[in-house]
Parts: sequence; C-alpha cells; structure tokens
Amino acid sequence: AQTVTQSQPEMSVQEAETVTLSCTYDTSENNYYLFWYKQPPSRQMILVIRQEAYKQQNATENRFSVNFQKAAKSFSLKISDSQLGDTAMYFCAFMKHPPGTYKYIFGTGTRLKVLA
Amino acid sequence: SQTIHQWPATLVQPVGSPLSLECTVEGTSNPNLYWYRQAAGRGLQLLFYSVGIGQISSEVPQNLSASRPQDRQFILSSKKLLLSDSGFYLCAWSVMTQDEQFFGPGTRLTVL
Repeated sequence: AQTVTQSQPEMSVQEAETVTLSCTYDTSENNYYLFWYKQPPSRQMILVIRQEAYKQQNATENRFSVNFQKAAKSFSLKISDSQLGDTAMYFCAFMKHPPGTYKYIFGTGTRLKVLA
Repeated sequence: SQTIHQWPATLVQPVGSPLSLECTVEGTSNPNLYWYRQAAGRGLQLLFYSVGIGQISSEVPQNLSASRPQDRQFILSSKKLLLSDSGFYLCAWSVMTQDEQFFGPGTRLTVL
C-alpha cells in the first residue's frame, strides 16, 4: 500500500523569503502522479502543482516549484518570494497511474505561516 | 464552468442522530465523486468514491454510508452518529480522463 509522509507539522517563513516543504512517499509503482494542494483558512482546497513520475523535469508554477527525486521517493515543494496569502495548510498527495478511480493518498499536512 | 456545492456548511448533531450531507456538481457529466474526512493532525482520509450512478466503493469500515442517486449528486449518510464522526467533510470530483480533483467548500460536523 502507498503511504505519504509530511514530517513538518508546522513551518513559518518571513515574507519574501523562500521555504521548502518536504514530502516522502512509499510505493512499488513505477508510474504515478504527485500533487501539492493548498488549504487556506477558508478551507477551500486548491491544487498548487502536480508532477508526473515519468517526467524527469521538475514542475514549476510561478513561485512554486518542486524537487522530485524518484529514487529517493521525495517530493518537496519550494515557495519563492513568500507572500502573506501563502499562509495555509499544504498537503502532499499521491495517485497511482493509470488513474482508474483517481484515488488520492494524502499526507497529514504542513501548516505554513508567512510572517510580515 | 464547473462548480461544486456542499451543504450544510456547518452542522451540530447529538450522538445517535441521523446524518445526511449533500454534494452536487454542476457543469460536467459523469464525474468521479469522492467523500473525504479531515481530522486534526490526520490529513484527508478517503471515505467513499463513486464512478457512476449507484456505484459506491468504501475505503474504510465505519459508521457512514454513501449514495449516488443522480449523476452529479453524492450523499453521505449515517443512521446513528458517533462522537468520532466529528470532523470536516470534503466532497470532490474529477473527470475520468484527468487526474486533478476539485474540492467543495466542506461541511464542519460536530457531534455532541
């Protein structure tokens, strides 16, 4: 069975600084997807970034980028130029490919606070 | 555009009472539908998913059940609530050919 581990329950970062959230996972699958979701205080879950395991290039979305290390089963999220609006709970998620039922396995989350 | 609705937003229920949470999706057809529960310090736990009308798969044994009476309607139910059923319940949908899931605003359930 797949598992996702986020070892940092809480983190804080100064506005405009860079922060990295860690995520490790365990799977015997070769093809899969990885995701980072953001849950702000409003509780609305929003997709931040996704990575397909067969792609070696790390995904980037504006200030958000990932460091995907397939052999190490590591999938960290880097937030550059942190903004107050980045304050949220961040969840790492795994999904097996082919998707089938598209079931996610979520980590326990990292609560990020951006300080002014 | 697609939207997902959940209601009620907040619910306080006594132990032993029934439960019905509703989720509806607009703007898409034949979505995959999901119910998650979010408990403090435990992330999101998948409770049920559905790939079509009347097709429900349960991920964890529990006091809850789910039904999909219409293509874009997903209902989470219980006959008798337990204290441990308290939590934040999220509904989500995805399209068969895509992997991203889209989440609703959630329902905060408190069982007293």
